[in-house]
Amino acid sequence: KNEVEQSPQNLTAQEGEFITINCSYSVGISALHWLQQHPGGGIVSLFMLSSGKKKHGRLIATINIQEKHSSLHITASHPRDSAVYICAAGLDGLTFGKGTHLIIQP
Amino acid sequence: EAEVAQSPRYKITEKSQAVAFWCDPISGHATLYWYRQILGQGPELLVQFQDESVVDDSQLPKDRFSAERLKGVDSTLKIQPAELGDSAMYLCASSLTGSSTQETQYFGPGTRLLVL
Repeated sequence: KNEVEQSPQNLTAQEGEFITINCSYSVGISALHWLQQHPGGGIVSLFMLSSGKKKHGRLIATINIQEKHSSLHITASHPRDSAVYICAAGLDGLTFGKGTHLIIQP
Repeated sequence: EAEVAQSPRYKITEKSQAVAFWCDPISGHATLYWYRQILGQGPELLVQFQDESVVDDSQLPKDRFSAERLKGVDSTLKIQPAELGDSAMYLCASSLTGSSTQETQYFGPGTRLLVL
């Protein structure tokens, strides 16, 4: 069993929809990261959080330490949000989830 | 904006050949990571350097993989001999000080390797 689990694995939605991607972890963590990977392969860090909630533009990340769960939300989704979203967490090093492949259709 | 550079971007090789990947981290970043990402999976750490020293290479297949960061700046990852199962994306990342879980890691564009 992977120590960092993401759901769903694949998600297709219409432009404008509210998107939620979930991440559950069984490892001890000092921080949890959300990353975005575009088809070309490059990875961009979106958020790093250890408690509460962070917001950047249309993206919101939350974490519940007691439940070992984090969510990434996208409001007013747009086709340019189509990418793979990866959750990573850990204490001494990062363990990565397998990613959620998001497609936003116009 | 400073970026992590990697080359080549794509590499096709035959099994049993040697391949090498190069990474130049963001200037001033002490920590450098090499990850392997198999299609449909998340990245997996191969080796972590703090300056020129290896901090973690527990997942590096040392019979065929080697990595160096001689002057604590750029780094080379080598595979010899390459095997079919090595086909993957090889990602390099860097961070400022090395507290890997509490720092942002900056990723390069990756090298996509295909072993035939």
